[in-house]
Amino acid sequence: EAQVTQNPRYLITVTGKKLTVTCSQNMNHEYMSWYRQDPGLGLRQIYYSMNVEVTDKGDVPEGYKVSRKEKRNFPLILESPSPNQTSLYFCASSGGAGNTIYFGEGSWLTVV
Amino acid sequence: GENVEQHPSTLSVQEGDSAVIKCTYSDSASNYFPWYKQELGKRPQLIIDIRSNVGEKKDQRIAVTLNKTAKHFSLHITETQPEDSAVYFCAAGGTSYGKLTFGQGTILTVHP
Repeated sequence: EAQVTQNPRYLITVTGKKLTVTCSQNMNHEYMSWYRQDPGLGLRQIYYSMNVEVTDKGDVPEGYKVSRKEKRNFPLILESPSPNQTSLYFCASSGGAGNTIYFGEGSWLTVV
Repeated sequence: GENVEQHPSTLSVQEGDSAVIKCTYSDSASNYFPWYKQELGKRPQLIIDIRSNVGEKKDQRIAVTLNKTAKHFSLHITETQPEDSAVYFCAAGGTSYGKLTFGQGTILTVHP
């Protein structure tokens, strides 16, 4: 079954405590990305990756880091989380730009 | 960068009526325009997409039209049903690069 799996699904953390949200896909997709979803703002792209070791900034990259060392994994790193990073985060993958994007189930992150 | 505006933000219709959601985009290089449906608490799922080499695409009760000259595209849902109630997102991006920009979303409510 085609899957995009992200963890954790729910997390409450404190300001400044580094955290990583993992994302893994089993479809051998080249393209992966991270979005955050906030009320009234829709889905905003944080970072995307066209292939291993190839990443680029989306619309709201500040405060986030990513890495793509393996094709299947694309972790999102918050080095020093702040309350304005409280949001619902989605990882996504596709076979390439312009192809159907498959979303993970989402990760609810609260920074206090 | 790309900017996508989506209207209306909320739409209420009676069962059996048609619903139309409109989006405009700013980057003439965009050539891929997907629409996503997101039910409460779930991940966005692709319902239809269109590429700039076609003006209209239909899939049963759903259709999308694209006017590349005017830089706008629309989602049309006919014979609406209560299960069509959800948030709908349009997006614009390229088939040669990975960045995808979403609209702010439309909350569609179909009353029985």
